[in-house]
Amino acid sequence: AQSVTQLDSQVPVFEEAPVELRCNYSSSVSVYLFWYVQYPNQGLQLLLKYLSGSTLVKGINGFEAEFNKSQTSFHLRKPSVHISDTAEYFCAVRQTGANNLFFGTGTRLTVIP
Amino acid sequence: EAGVVQSPRYKIIEKKQPVAFWCNPISGHNTLYWYLQNLGQGPELLIRYENEEAVDDSQLPKDRFSAERLKGVDSTLKIQPAELGDSAVYLCASSLGTGRTEAFFGQGTRLTVV
Repeated sequence: AQSVTQLDSQVPVFEEAPVELRCNYSSSVSVYLFWYVQYPNQGLQLLLKYLSGSTLVKGINGFEAEFNKSQTSFHLRKPSVHISDTAEYFCAVRQTGANNLFFGTGTRLTVIP
Repeated sequence: EAGVVQSPRYKIIEKKQPVAFWCNPISGHNTLYWYLQNLGQGPELLIRYENEEAVDDSQLPKDRFSAERLKGVDSTLKIQPAELGDSAVYLCASSLGTGRTEAFFGQGTRLTVV
């Protein structure tokens, strides 16, 4: 079985500062990894995904994430945040060859003007 | 291309009443998911369909919840009777059905049971 841990439930950061949202996963088999963003009263939107190949993946809105197999991590980063980045961010994992997607509990990013 | 469509967006009902949610996935997506999202939590899988077959419903409380996906396209999730603890957001998602592709989510139905 897979599980996802998002260590920080809330992350406040000033506008134009860098941010890192942490995600660790556990799985006995290889996995695909995803980051989703959820704006208030909206569904989830895919930011980026890691399937294979380069461990550094770039997504929409200037976000990127790095897959670290030895540390079983998939942290999300952005070098300079905007007010519009205020939202809930979810890390998710799917076992390769399977279809179920398991989510972490989310990190609420608040960008302070 | 239209995304995943859910209705209604919001629903308020009294406890012990029935309620139903509808989802229309992206055209051509064989896999359909229903997720439950409690306030401040991540989505939790209730049921997954591959075409019209429910292949994983282990987390669906079958005493009061039911779902169907007739003809392998749109789907309905029903609660009867609803309890106060069922207040949450119900998310529908769809994907092409292979592990490499992402799931696309609808906007969700926010259920309030009073």
